[in-house]
Amino acid sequence: QLQLQESGPGRVKPSETLSLTCTVSGGSISSNYFYWGWIRQPPGKGLEWIGNIYYSGTTYYNPSLKSRVTMSVDTSKNQFSLNLRSVTAADTAVYYCARLGSDYDWVFWGQGTLVTVSS
Amino acid sequence: QSALTQPASVSGSPGQSITISCTGTSSDVGSYNFVSWYQQHPGKAPKLMIYEGSKRPLGVSNRLSGSKSGNTASLTISGLQAEDEADYHCCSYAGSNTWVFGGGTRVTVL
Repeated sequence: QLQLQESGPGRVKPSETLSLTCTVSGGSISSNYFYWGWIRQPPGKGLEWIGNIYYSGTTYYNPSLKSRVTMSVDTSKNQFSLNLRSVTAADTAVYYCARLGSDYDWVFWGQGTLVTVSS
Repeated sequence: QSALTQPASVSGSPGQSITISCTGTSSDVGSYNFVSWYQQHPGKAPKLMIYEGSKRPLGVSNRLSGSKSGNTASLTISGLQAEDEADYHCCSYAGSNTWVFGGGTRVTVL
C-alpha cells in the first residue's frame, strides 16, 4: 500500500521560506502516469491546490502562488519537496502531499503537517 | 482561478437524503468530467469518495452518488447515517494542468 509522509519545521518566521519534504513508501515516485502534489488547508477552511510535480521534474503551480513556489523531486530518495518563499500568516495551514491518479483524483494522501507562520 | 462554491453547512436526520452543491465556472466544472469529492473527518486527511463526477472507488458506500449539470456538480448522500458526519470537499480539473477545490461543506447528522 502506497504511503506518503510529510516532514519539515512546524513553525516558520514571516518573510522566510517554508520547506517541506514528502517521502513516498510502498511504491516508486518514478512510476509512469502519476503526478505528485501539494495541497494545503488553513485552519477551519477548505483545501487549496498548490502544485504538482512529475518524476522528470516537470512542474505545474497554482497561478495565485506561482511566484513564490518551487517544487523539486529526488528520485534516489523517493521524495519530493515544496519551497514557499516570503511566507505570511496567511500561509499558516496543514500541508498535505498527495498522489494524483490517472483519473485526475487524489487517492493517496499523507497525514498532513501543520505549519505555523509566526515570529 | 477562484475556489469552487460550496454551502458552508448541510444537515439532515438519520435516514434522510442530503445534497451538497459545488458551483464552478465554464473553465472548470463546466468543461471537464473530472470532478472529485472528498470526505474529511476532524484531524484526518481527506478521503476520495467520488471521482470523474459520479464514479465510486472500491469500498465506498453506494449511498453516495455524484452528478453534474452545467457548471454545478452535486454530491448526494442517501440514507444518512451518523458516520457520514464530516466535511466534504469538491475538486475540479481547471485545465492547463491546474486543479481547484471548493471551500468545503460541514455535514451534520441531527
